[in-house]
Amino acid sequence: EAQVTQNPRYLITVTGKKLTVTCSQNMNHEYMSWYRQDPGLGLRQIYYSMNVEVTDKGDVPEGYKVSRKEKRNFPLILESPSPNQTSLYFCASSLSRGPYGYTFGSGTRLTVV
Amino acid sequence: GENVEQHPSTLSVQEGDSAVIKCTYSDSASNYFPWYKQELGKRPQLIIDIRSNVGEKKDQRIAVTLNKTAKHFSLHITETQPEDSAVYFCAAELQGAQKLVFGQGTRLTINP
Repeated sequence: EAQVTQNPRYLITVTGKKLTVTCSQNMNHEYMSWYRQDPGLGLRQIYYSMNVEVTDKGDVPEGYKVSRKEKRNFPLILESPSPNQTSLYFCASSLSRGPYGYTFGSGTRLTVV
Repeated sequence: GENVEQHPSTLSVQEGDSAVIKCTYSDSASNYFPWYKQELGKRPQLIIDIRSNVGEKKDQRIAVTLNKTAKHFSLHITETQPEDSAVYFCAAELQGAQKLVFGQGTRLTINP
């Protein structure tokens, strides 16, 4: 089944403890992106990648890192999480080299205490 | 950069009536405008999209219209059904930027 898989679905962590949210797609998609969703703010782009080893900042990149060593994987890294990073995170991928016709992952609800 | 404003934030309509959600964007160079539907507790899903060289696009009960001069686009849902209840997001892509900017979302409730 063609899909974008995120893990974990739920995560509660403490301030400052490094964490990684994984994202993997099995559709050979070129473009991958991370968004955070907060009430009243919609979906805001954190980082995106148009190809292997090519990543770029979205609108809210502060406090996050990403890597794209393989085409299928695009992990989101929080080196030192803070409470303002408590949010619902979505990974998305697209066949083309742009944000067209996204397939979203099922989301990761992160709470930082 | 691009800014997308979406209205209303909540919308309640009677089953069978039509619903309209509007979005405005700031950059006249934007050229791609998708709409996503997010049911409660689920991931967003693309329902329709339009490019700037087209003024209107339809898919069964949903349609999107684009006014490039006024820099706004709208989602129209006709003959609404209970399963249309969800949060709807519009978005715009600045040509060449490879980034999609979303509106704030509209919570649509269909009353039986």
